[in-house]
Amino acid sequence: AQRVTQPEKLLSVFKGAPVELKCNYSYSGSPELFWYVQYSRQRLQLLLRHISRESIKGFTADLNKGETSFHLKKPFAQEEDSAMYYCALKDQGAQKLVFGQGTRLTINP
Amino acid sequence: EAGVTQFPSHSVIEKGQTVTLRCDPISGHDNLYWYRRVMGKEIKFLLHFVKESKQDESGMPNNRFLAERTGGTYSTLKVQPAELEDSGVYFCASSQDRGQGNIGRGYTFGSGTRLTVV
Repeated sequence: AQRVTQPEKLLSVFKGAPVELKCNYSYSGSPELFWYVQYSRQRLQLLLRHISRESIKGFTADLNKGETSFHLKKPFAQEEDSAMYYCALKDQGAQKLVFGQGTRLTINP
Repeated sequence: EAGVTQFPSHSVIEKGQTVTLRCDPISGHDNLYWYRRVMGKEIKFLLHFVKESKQDESGMPNNRFLAERTGGTYSTLKVQPAELEDSGVYFCASSQDRGQGNIGRGYTFGSGTRLTVV
């Protein structure tokens, strides 16, 4: 069965420090993975997708099929990065997303 | 364009009562999805409408939950009777394209309804 695991519920780093939010998945086929973000008092929004290999707001995420991981990284954290981050996997054959539990990232000044 | 709108933003009801959540998708979006996040757990898929038809309702937890989308516009999610474990945040999302290649990219989420059953 499809599953997404985000091992850290809370993550706190200082401004300017590197940040890595971990995401591991289990899926039998070729996965399509995403990171979503929810800032305080805002709605859930797409941050990036693995197939686009893009960098959004300084964040990148590389799909590692060998380790079944899709960790989100940013070399220098900013205070405005504080938010709830969700890793999600697309269930092929069905138009739905499977989410991880989310990681609350706090950037300390 | 207006975003996905959900009503109410918060609801506190007693166990055994009925609650109806509403979602207004972006105009013209055929696809409408319901998800929920129960406290401490992941966001889980509930169901998917294509226009007024239920495309996938595999995530609906039990028959106390009833979703409708009459006329293919707004959708309602009724919980009757509500139980304590129904507490959580209910999200709605919509997308325009039917192709699966647009999954994720095409979603626009609402702000969610926080339901508390006491």
